[in-house]
Amino acid sequence: DTAVSQTPKYLVTQMGNDKSIKCEQNLGHDTMYWYKQDSKKFLKIMFSYNNKELIINETVPNRFSPKSPDKAHLNLHINSLELGDSAVYFCASSPRPKDRGLPYGYTFGSGTRLTVV
Amino acid sequence: QQQVKQSPQSLIVQKGGISIINCAYENTAFDYFPWYQQFPGKGPALLIAIRPDVSEKKEGRFTISFNKSAKQFSLHIMDSQPGDSATYFCAASRYRAGTALIFGKGTTLSVSS
Repeated sequence: DTAVSQTPKYLVTQMGNDKSIKCEQNLGHDTMYWYKQDSKKFLKIMFSYNNKELIINETVPNRFSPKSPDKAHLNLHINSLELGDSAVYFCASSPRPKDRGLPYGYTFGSGTRLTVV
Repeated sequence: QQQVKQSPQSLIVQKGGISIINCAYENTAFDYFPWYQQFPGKGPALLIAIRPDVSEKKEGRFTISFNKSAKQFSLHIMDSQPGDSATYFCAASRYRAGTALIFGKGTTLSVSS
């Protein structure tokens, strides 16, 4: 039972292409996130959605567009891929603080390694 | 975003020793401080977390020490084991729905047998 699942795990593509990464969580969490981990392992927030509503939109190029069809799914679409987009992208989810029966904390997926050539 | 500063960048500890990783934050609005552990090829996993109402939290071999006035917190791993070899991240955020965790830059821990 994978709590936060991302697909694909690996993505190799050419510059200029458009690609999508999918994320699903089965934890019943209200909030989902996209993080980018660079080659130095630094984790940086990109977006967060709370109940399908965009809450955080960091200074990310508008080539990146998140979409949340329902609160269990958060997809990331990237247009016109560039070499600098190569990184590991993590999806995560979290419950509301003090949600009964749910310990607070982010649950991360296993990541999607994107390589742009 | 306020930065969370983490040190050291890397750490080598003998099996059975104590591993200590330190973090400092700037934003006094932060009131949730978790530590995450990441193994190669995996996503970060929550290890232990603390809120500012306590100065210390212990779970098994892992302890967080928190100093609110100094805006610092640290992770202590007692009796370090080779299986603890991983990258550790401290983080900070507001304790409310939808807020983002701000991560430190990570510490790569190697425990030698």
